[in-house]
Amino acid sequence: AQSVTQLDSQVPVFEEAPVELRCNYSSSVSVYLFWYVQYPNQGLQLLLKYLSGSTLVKGINGFEAEFNKSQTSFHLRKPSVHISDTAEYFCAVSDSRTGGFKTIFGAGTRLFVKA
Amino acid sequence: DVKVTQSSRYLVKRTGEKVFLECVQDMDHENMFWYRQDPGLGLRLIYFSYDVKMKEKGDIPEGYSVSREKKERFSLILESASTNQTSMYLCASSILTGLGNTIYFGEGSWLTVV
Repeated sequence: AQSVTQLDSQVPVFEEAPVELRCNYSSSVSVYLFWYVQYPNQGLQLLLKYLSGSTLVKGINGFEAEFNKSQTSFHLRKPSVHISDTAEYFCAVSDSRTGGFKTIFGAGTRLFVKA
Repeated sequence: DVKVTQSSRYLVKRTGEKVFLECVQDMDHENMFWYRQDPGLGLRLIYFSYDVKMKEKGDIPEGYSVSREKKERFSLILESASTNQTSMYLCASSILTGLGNTIYFGEGSWLTVV
């Protein structure tokens, strides 16, 4: 069975500082990996996804993530955050068998960007 | 842009009431989903549908049912609302492909059961 663990429930950071949001997954088959962002009072929207190929994936708003198969991780990074990046971030995984019907979401990481 | 519209953003219902949450998507997506979002638990799948009149249970279907009479519309039904169903409900849709689908979400419906 798949599972997703987001290692930090809350991450406070100062504006213009770098940030890393950590995500580990477990699966017995090859996976597709996603990061979604939820701004206050909104639904989730896709930041980036890894399907295959290059392990470094670039997304919207300057975010990127690196797929590490040996460590079963898919950490999200941004070199310099803005106040507007304050949101909740969800890591998600689906496997190559189900094609997305059973996307499993992590518990979320709240990113607080302080001035 | 894909648009998933949830008809009610905020609802307050009484225990035992029948509650309907409606969702419409405008991109001809085959798949539609209902998730429940609770703090510290992330998103949990209640039901999904991959075609009209088709439905599959997700991880937490108890106390819920769904209806999909038209491709663009997917309704979540709480037959007899209870206080432990107070939550944020998210509708979503995606295309039916064999690869990792991007899921498109509505803005959510905050349901309070009193």
